[in-house]
Amino acid sequence: DAKTTQPPSMDCAEGRAANLPCNHSTISGNEYVYWYRQIHSQGPQYIIHGLKNNETNEMASLIITEDRKSSTLILPHATLRDTAVYYCIASSYGKLTFGQGTILTVHP
Amino acid sequence: DAGVTQSPTHLIKTRGQQVTLRCSPKSGHDTVSWYQQALGQGPQFIFQYYEEEERQRGNFPDRFSGHQFPNYSSELNVNALLLGDSALYLCASSLSNQPQHFGDGTRLSIL
Repeated sequence: DAKTTQPPSMDCAEGRAANLPCNHSTISGNEYVYWYRQIHSQGPQYIIHGLKNNETNEMASLIITEDRKSSTLILPHATLRDTAVYYCIASSYGKLTFGQGTILTVHP
Repeated sequence: DAGVTQSPTHLIKTRGQQVTLRCSPKSGHDTVSWYQQALGQGPQFIFQYYEEEERQRGNFPDRFSGHQFPNYSSELNVNALLLGDSALYLCASSLSNQPQHFGDGTRLSIL
């Protein structure tokens, strides 16, 4: 799996969009970008994934740059319940390699 | 529709003992993966099972072994427990190469 780099922490005001960046400059052509989040004492929760096109679901949007070397997870209207550790993972098959992730804190 | 369920939720063992953790995958999923998450760290991949065979393995010693049953449920076995094995053990299931979905884990404490 390609190595990913994320900022260790970010803050966001409730109701505003949260934009979480991720660098994956060594990603290979068959590796997907996955985003998971983990709230304290729970297992990681799948958010979204994509290969090269932008993706949107009921939770978030994923924007992948044309060269696929970076991506941004967008939570359009952050709530206090979105406070969590967010993991960006580049993986082609099977195992997921988690890094340290980004601690997102949503403030009232 | 139940998600991934793991048992027990908490477990306390002493050094040198053996432990078995259990996982029932989400309905319709055929692949089970196990991860170890130490305090303050991201989950680390242990191994993955598909069609009752270990398909992929991470950098864990042979003390860690597993099994998948015909109903797709799985067990993780750890022998000769060390203090460093204290962690949250997570099970994830998926259908073939679709995204993995995680349970809430078993918290294992070694005294």
